[in-house]
Amino acid sequence: GENVEQHPSTLSVQEGDSAVIKCTYSDSASNYFPWYKQELGKGPQLIIDIRSNVGEKKDQRIAVTLNKTAKHFSLHITETQPEDSAVYFCAASMGAGGTSYGKLTFGQGTILTVHP
Amino acid sequence: GAVVSQHPSRVICKSGTSVKIECRSLDFQATTMFWYRQFPKQSLMLMATSNEGSKATYEQGVEKDKFLINHASLTLSTLTVTSAHPEDSSFYICSGLAGRLGTDTQYFGPGTRLTVL
Repeated sequence: GENVEQHPSTLSVQEGDSAVIKCTYSDSASNYFPWYKQELGKGPQLIIDIRSNVGEKKDQRIAVTLNKTAKHFSLHITETQPEDSAVYFCAASMGAGGTSYGKLTFGQGTILTVHP
Repeated sequence: GAVVSQHPSRVICKSGTSVKIECRSLDFQATTMFWYRQFPKQSLMLMATSNEGSKATYEQGVEKDKFLINHASLTLSTLTVTSAHPEDSSFYICSGLAGRLGTDTQYFGPGTRLTVL
């Protein structure tokens, strides 16, 4: 089955700096890659996602890049703010069609701390 | 849009009792719902995939007789932890997947904290 590796496990930055989190996946059939932000005691919140027919996607301060050949994708947060502090999870899926039913395989998570 | 609710948000029960957790998609129809559990400082572990009107598919190592899942409608799935024990204490999270072709996005509920004494 799919395996997703996420690095780093913890990341500490100063407010205003950029943060980058990287993930690799093993199954070349995966074609959907979402990123979730989880605050303490809450459920994951989708912040951005990318599909395999796109190399990069941006939404204000957040961007995701995908390298299908190397099977890795990254989350970039620019101009970080203290409220960005949370746990971030990457995930991979083979999509909602077929027998996988959109099942997600998650990375191990990255604890991001943004210091004021 | 795409809101998923869970009830209760927190539950404490005695060992040996059963607990039911509800997961509702409030503004979309979820043809598929997923149930996860999450231990402190760990990632989400998929327990089962639930399709409306059919039996749930459980991940390897998850006891289907202990974790009963029912997906009776396009907006409601329930997880019942039967004969709960302290090791079942965890954060349980559901998610819903809209059934339209090409819609891969999973929307997560806020989670239910289960503590078994």
